[in-house]
Amino acid sequence: EAGVTQFPSHSVIEKGQTVTLRCDPISGHDNLYWYRRVMGKEIKFLLHFVKESKQDESGMPNNRFLAERTGGTYSTLKVQPAELEDSGVYFCASSQTGTSGRADAYNEQFFGPGTRLTVL
Amino acid sequence: LAKTTQPISMDSYEGQEVNITCSHNNIATNDYITWYQQFPSQGPRFIIQGYKTKVTNEVASLFIPADRKSSTLSLPRVSLSDTAVYYCLVGGRSNDYKLSFGAGTTVTVRA
Repeated sequence: EAGVTQFPSHSVIEKGQTVTLRCDPISGHDNLYWYRRVMGKEIKFLLHFVKESKQDESGMPNNRFLAERTGGTYSTLKVQPAELEDSGVYFCASSQTGTSGRADAYNEQFFGPGTRLTVL
Repeated sequence: LAKTTQPISMDSYEGQEVNITCSHNNIATNDYITWYQQFPSQGPRFIIQGYKTKVTNEVASLFIPADRKSSTLSLPRVSLSDTAVYYCLVGGRSNDYKLSFGAGTTVTVRA
């Protein structure tokens, strides 16, 4: 079974440009999450989708970030315009819905390899 | 979310057992303890989860004392490929879907 995939693996852009990151979750996983680690900091939660709906986007840093999950399959995270402080590694994760019918934090999340974003 | 404290780094040699202790003094009654492993240039990977006493799987063992204020991840007979960052996470399974990663423990295994 294929794991979570992310594209591209690396992206180098200039400040002010736009970048779109893509995540393909494990087939059948309704829950999709975005996290990121900026330089020297810890991995932080950005947002959570249940199917195509945004369940929680409290971790999104500002309105330059837009995440979508059309059709409840793959997801994109767009940064427009990119700023220097957006540099870091962006991780996507997916999980099944727990027995309670909603996402459990500790219903194992499967992470992709990440996209390393460098803004110059 | 309960705050966790774990050592920043640990060194070991191949074949040794590595024990990483995580403190979580404010753990709530419905909180579980979960450990993730992260290799360089990869995303975190779930290793083990437990609520109390001892849990063992093919990768590691997790020891949780009765007061649950700490837990110990035990990696038996480590190899070079076990060099990674290990994260201790604490939270409820019912409503906390955000994983909260701390700094983790960087384990370096030497030949």
